[in-house]
Amino acid sequence: DAGVIQSPRHEVTEMGQEVTLRCKPISGHDYLFWYRQTMMRGLELLIYFNNNVPIDDSGMPEDRFSAKMPNASFSTLKIQPSEPRDSAVYFCASSSDRVSGYTFGSGTRLTVV
Amino acid sequence: AQSVTQPDIHITVSEGASLELRCNYSYGATPYLFWYVQSPGQGLQLLLKYFSGDTLVQGIKGFEAEFKRSQSSFNLRKPSVHWSDAAEYFCAVGAISSASKIIFGSGTRLSIRP
Repeated sequence: DAGVIQSPRHEVTEMGQEVTLRCKPISGHDYLFWYRQTMMRGLELLIYFNNNVPIDDSGMPEDRFSAKMPNASFSTLKIQPSEPRDSAVYFCASSSDRVSGYTFGSGTRLTVV
Repeated sequence: AQSVTQPDIHITVSEGASLELRCNYSYGATPYLFWYVQSPGQGLQLLLKYFSGDTLVQGIKGFEAEFKRSQSSFNLRKPSVHWSDAAEYFCAVGAISSASKIIFGSGTRLSIRP
């Protein structure tokens, strides 16, 4: 298995632009998670899906953030419009159940200038 | 609400020395406990997990952790560290009763002295 695949690995964009981060979970994993990691706040859970349905989006910081999972093999996290304070590493993770632990992707390093 | 505390922000040990990274959790229900490792520029990798049974858990890369309910702790240990163990280590807690949500600690950065 190729693991959790995220794209792009690095994204540099100007303030105000739309940014879309992509994630392909491990086949057969029913749970998908989006995390944001910064020095100041550590790892923050933004949203997670179970069987493509958003279960908890309480960690999404603002209406500028949205996430979708149109099918079991693809999810997107969109920021529109982006701001410099959104600069962080965004991780996608997937899991087959509650107890197995998560498999993380390599992350997308977002820089908003 | 569940929480996890890693009291040590940064630890430096000599290569070949033993290691113990501390983790304390707070949760009213029976917890699931995890340790993850993150190398620079990489995602998190699961080292080991505990959810029932033997309180001493063996993981990958020679790591082990011991669940102590009375102390609400799940400390990570390794008898002899290697330079390649330098990384960030995260303790995490989940719960049987929650809808599969894991909370991560703030991490402990491990440096290895040659």
